[in-house]
Amino acid sequence: QKEVEQNSGPLSVPEGAIASLNCTYSDRGSQSFFWYRQYSGKSPELIMSIYSNGDKEDGRFTAQLNKASQYVSLLIRDSQPSDSATYLCAVNPRLSTDFGNEKLTFGTGTRLTIIP
Amino acid sequence: NAGVTQTPKFRILKIGQSMTLQCTQDMNHNYMYWYRQDPGMGLKLIYYSVGAGITDKGEVPNGYNVSRSTTEDFPLRLELAAPSQTSVYFCASSMEGPYNEQFFGPGTRLTVL
Repeated sequence: QKEVEQNSGPLSVPEGAIASLNCTYSDRGSQSFFWYRQYSGKSPELIMSIYSNGDKEDGRFTAQLNKASQYVSLLIRDSQPSDSATYLCAVNPRLSTDFGNEKLTFGTGTRLTIIP
Repeated sequence: NAGVTQTPKFRILKIGQSMTLQCTQDMNHNYMYWYRQDPGMGLKLIYYSVGAGITDKGEVPNGYNVSRSTTEDFPLRLELAAPSQTSVYFCASSMEGPYNEQFFGPGTRLTVL
């Protein structure tokens, strides 16, 4: 079983609609969760982090975390063509102050295409 | 702040050659990481470091070596390059702390022929 799973897509969403990206993880003790955006040929860029159950909003982006169900999602409202990218989910299985757990586990990413 | 910088941006190596990929960060981060990303794939951790003089293996360390003599620099050494090492290499850094938000450099695209 993969530790962090994402649907590889591609996910196609009309411009102006809501894009919903999902991620599940296997380690129930995981503490911190991240969404990275990666444009083709570029490096991953951190866009959202979430540490507590519930929703966290930042502009058009909302991250949702449900630790009981072991999933984290990213909603993009009013999708724009510039949102077309691959979105990587990353999970820290433990607090990084625990020695030996300073690493993130990445999913393989979901490719999102916004259709004008 | 320049953030995380990497050199070179591109490199072509012949089988059996060696090279060093450079990574520097100016954010005073203790943690630094090297990843590789093959086409259409996720990020795989090669090596990481939690401070100067301390390094540890990730999930794909074979064929690579690292050192960390300063907080700022974390070079990755490829010995005896092989076609399987053709990939994009990313360096990242993060603060010491509970949440480990990692910030990435622009990457080095390496081709081994």
